[in-house]
Amino acid sequence: DAGVIQSPRHEVTEMGQEVTLRCKPISGHDYLFWYRQTMMRGLELLIYFNNNVPIDDSGMPEDRFSAKMPNASFSTLKIQPSEPRDSAVYFCASSFSSGASNQPQHFGDGTRLSIL
Amino acid sequence: SQQGEEDPQALSIQEGENATMNCSYKTSINNLQWYRQNSGRGLVHLILIRSNEREKHSGRLRVTLDTSKKSSSLLITASRAADTASYFCATDARSGNTPLVFGKGTRLSVIA
Repeated sequence: DAGVIQSPRHEVTEMGQEVTLRCKPISGHDYLFWYRQTMMRGLELLIYFNNNVPIDDSGMPEDRFSAKMPNASFSTLKIQPSEPRDSAVYFCASSFSSGASNQPQHFGDGTRLSIL
Repeated sequence: SQQGEEDPQALSIQEGENATMNCSYKTSINNLQWYRQNSGRGLVHLILIRSNEREKHSGRLRVTLDTSKKSSSLLITASRAADTASYFCATDARSGNTPLVFGKGTRLSVIA
């Protein structure tokens, strides 16, 4: 079975540029989560969706960050404009209901983002 | 915000030894989960233990939960070099449909 697929695996870009990260969740999963991982702050939840609807985006650090889930098999996380402090590994995870925390989450291998 | 905190931050052992990692949390939970992360990879779910359970086993893994002390432990028996990874606990909040909150993890090194 295919797991959660993220692209690109690595992204290096200059500050001010727009960055788009992509995620394909596991088929049939109705929860999708976006996380950011840094050494200093650990794994932070940015936003999560249930049935393609954003439920909680309180973890999104600034208005420069936005996320969409146009259908059950695709989600994007966009940063515009990007800044060096956005450098981190971004993970997408999905899970099957019931509830946002009652089932294991399945993680992609992440996008390592470096903003120069 | 509620968050599991793992202890120790780093652990180095010889192959064949047992490894014990602990997790403490702040408020009542419905369940607690443990994950492993190999270098450069995403987190992988290991085990979920519910608040009404005290112990759970999966292969060489043994997880305990003490809700009175708000703590959990993950024991890996007969460790192998392939167990080298970071281990995270994740907790929810008993009230409401809230997502998991992850700790900062324990880095385990198993030396062959």
